[in-house]
This record gives sequence, C-alpha cells and structure tokens, in this order.
Amino acid sequence: QVQLVESGGGVVQPGRSLRLSCAASGFTFSSYGLHWVRQAPGKGLEWVAVISFDGSNKYYADSVKGRFTISRDDSKNTLYLQMNSLRAEDTAVYYCAKVGIAATLNHYFDYWGQGTLVTVSS
Amino acid sequence: SYELTQPLSVSVALGQTARITCGANNIGSKNVHWYQQKPGQAPVLVIYRDTYRPSGIPERFSGSNSGNTATLTISRAQAGDEADYYCQVWDSSTWVFGGGTKLTVL
Repeated sequence: QVQLVESGGGVVQPGRSLRLSCAASGFTFSSYGLHWVRQAPGKGLEWVAVISFDGSNKYYADSVKGRFTISRDDSKNTLYLQMNSLRAEDTAVYYCAKVGIAATLNHYFDYWGQGTLVTVSS
Repeated sequence: SYELTQPLSVSVALGQTARITCGANNIGSKNVHWYQQKPGQAPVLVIYRDTYRPSGIPERFSGSNSGNTATLTISRAQAGDEADYYCQVWDSSTWVFGGGTKLTVL
C-alpha cells in the first residue's frame, strides 16, 4: 500500500532554514509527480510546490517562490522541501501528496502523508 | 489568480442529503476534485475529475460540475461524514483549493 511519511518539522526562528523530507513506499516513485501542501493552524489547505516525475518541472506558490526549493531523490524514494528565510506565516502542518496519474502534474492528489508541523517563532 | 468559493459551513440531518458547493468562473470547464479532512487527520480524496469515486469511497458520495458551480453531494449522511471538505482545481500551473466547508451532521 502507498505510504508517505514526512519528517523534519520543528520549531525554528524567523529567517532560519529547515529541510523537510517525505519517504515514499508502495508505488513506483520515479513515475509520479509529488506535491507539498500546507495547512496553517485552524486554516484551510494551501498548495506550496510540485515536482514532476522526472524532476524536470517544478512550480511554486507565489508565497514561497524564491525561498523554498522542492527536490527529489529517486534512489532513496524521498521528496524534499528546502525552506529558507522562514517567516511566522510559514507556520503550518506540511503534507506531501502524490499525483494521481503517472507522468502528469495537472491532476488530483490521491495519497497524502500525515504531515509534519513547522513552527516559525522567536 | 483563480479563486474557489465554498460556504463556510453546511448542516444536514442524519440520513438526509448534504450538498456542498464550489463556485468559480466557468469552473465547469475544469476538472474538480474533492477532499475530506477529519480533525487531526490528513485529507482523503473522495471525488476526482468531477464525478469519479476512488476505491473505498462509499457510493453515497457523488459529484457534479457545470457552469460556475461544482457540487459534492453526500446522500444518507452519517455521523462519520462530519468533516471539512475542500474542492480543488488545477489552473495555469497552480493547484488551487477552496476555503473549505465544515459539514455538521445533526
């Protein structure tokens, strides 16, 4: 069965960096695009970034563009999110999510991890 | 940017039909997907591409999409259906979520 397990969250000061990881299993990792989606406490879902199945295409929400970098390591079946210049408004649970159709991006998220909490506070 | 509008809350009596709307300009021309999120849990896909149900999702969940409104319909509502529901579309290399609707089963 598909499993996505996020890690790397924690408390970090404004302006500092953090790297999130998402370990995947149960599917052919190299065939699927992957997203990061976040949810601030008590708020709705916000899409953050996506990387295509082959890593050739990456897109970001305007709110994180230039500060966050999405990447993948197919040899480790792991997705990453490098977050720099963190702000208080980046405080959220960060979910990784798998694209529902192989070799595409513009589709639904069919599996989600349980999320990892990032708190940006001094 | 493309915006999706959902009601903040919807209430339904136990066993009755709930309808949750997602409004946007010409949303009928897009594929709409719906997610259910219970407190403290990750979202779960309940409807994709307007009308399709993933395996394991009860037939009580259905979707439609036309004009400026997409609708998630939950028939014979159960207490376990209480959750937040989000619609989502893809638009110009961004993935957009509605603000979410809290469904209360009375």
